[in-house]
Amino acid sequence: ILNVEQSPQSLHVQEGDSTNFTCSFPSSNFYALHWYRWETAKSPEALFVMTLNGDEKKKGRISATLNTKEGYSYLYIKGSQPEDSATYLCAFSGSARQLTFGSGTQLTVLP
Amino acid sequence: NAGVTQTPKFQVLKTGQSMTLQCAQDMNHNSMYWYRQDPGMGLRLIYYSASEGTTDKGEVPNGYNVSRLNKREFSLRLESAAPSQTSVYFCASRDIRGTDTQYFGPGTRLTVL
Repeated sequence: ILNVEQSPQSLHVQEGDSTNFTCSFPSSNFYALHWYRWETAKSPEALFVMTLNGDEKKKGRISATLNTKEGYSYLYIKGSQPEDSATYLCAFSGSARQLTFGSGTQLTVLP
Repeated sequence: NAGVTQTPKFQVLKTGQSMTLQCAQDMNHNSMYWYRQDPGMGLRLIYYSASEGTTDKGEVPNGYNVSRLNKREFSLRLESAAPSQTSVYFCASRDIRGTDTQYFGPGTRLTVL
């Protein structure tokens, strides 16, 4: 069983704060690293997919970086808003092309 | 284009009862998945189907069976429900073009008493 870990488990920030969280994954047999956004009572939605070491992706105020050699990815949110409140999941895809999910970081943005 | 649909949305069972969770996708994806989500444990893979006519066990298959009825539909069956199967169940399908993004259904919240 592959080990995909996310930290912190949960996070409370004030509106306007910037924040970041971490996903660590196996550095061998890497194919892709996925980030999903999961709002309460909804289904997970894909945010980013990154495949190359050094990849950076950006969507509005959210961005992500990838280091495949050391096995970690960071997700950054600039100027958090209450609508950013969600659980952010990362998922590792290796040579088997199946996703192994981390347990998620639950973000709450307080107005 | 509905994406991935699941029925039912909610279900309460008594221990020992059986039921089937239904999943369908209209994106012409070959691969489909069943996950369960428990607090603090993220999404764990129960079973998957790489293509029509094939199914394989995931991380937590015990107590479940699956059927890939056709390319669109993938069902999950609990033959004799146990309280440990209380969970939220998600079906997903995979776009194998490029980077394997999975698309999720809305989930089924199951309680076993």
